[in-house]
Amino acid sequence: DIQMTQSPSSLSASVGDRVTITCQASQDISNYLNWYQQKPGKAPKLLIYDASNLETGVPSRFSGSGSGTDFTFTISSLQPEDIATYYCQQYDNLPHSFGQGTKLEIK
Amino acid sequence: QVQLVQSGAEVKKPGSSVKVSCKASGGTFSSYAISWVRQAPGQGLEWMGGIIPIFGTANYAQKFQGRVTITADESTSTAYMELSSLRSEDTAVYYCASADPRGGGDFSCFYWGQGTLVTVSS
Repeated sequence: DIQMTQSPSSLSASVGDRVTITCQASQDISNYLNWYQQKPGKAPKLLIYDASNLETGVPSRFSGSGSGTDFTFTISSLQPEDIATYYCQQYDNLPHSFGQGTKLEIK
Repeated sequence: QVQLVQSGAEVKKPGSSVKVSCKASGGTFSSYAISWVRQAPGQGLEWMGGIIPIFGTANYAQKFQGRVTITADESTSTAYMELSSLRSEDTAVYYCASADPRGGGDFSCFYWGQGTLVTVSS
């Protein structure tokens, strides 16, 4: 199975900050990567698919990049409503494994 | 816009089975995969398996092979996930999620159900 490693596991930032989360795959997955946001008590929500495509209706402050084994998720200007846990997921091979998550908090 | 509505919470005894349903509306049910993802309390997301209803054959994560059965009923646009030989570690919220033709892979999770809490306790 492909292992997905996110860093950091948790992150505290101020409103307006630029926030970056990384996701590393244990093998080359091309651009076969999605990013999800999960707020407490809610189902996850797809934000980015195919590593860099913004899902419809998702604010443009969210972006994704990368290919191969190294990927980056960025929030250009953190807003209070962005407090959540973020997950990457690869879909190069089954099972479509998730990263362990990055919990984002407001400083 | 696809909407997924799951069945309600369940409490099960160790060793028993649970079957969770996921009814889809607003999309072309048969053509796009339904995945099942679970989340134990305070833990991350775990992809269990999925099915493309028009093909009828499910794919499972090896961890759950032999214990999980995913099926789909095209006539009612409903997918099911049955997990057997339940143990306390299976206590989790179980989500169904649907793919989309825009991308993200065959078993991508564009649309999510509300989740079903399954509690395994003696």
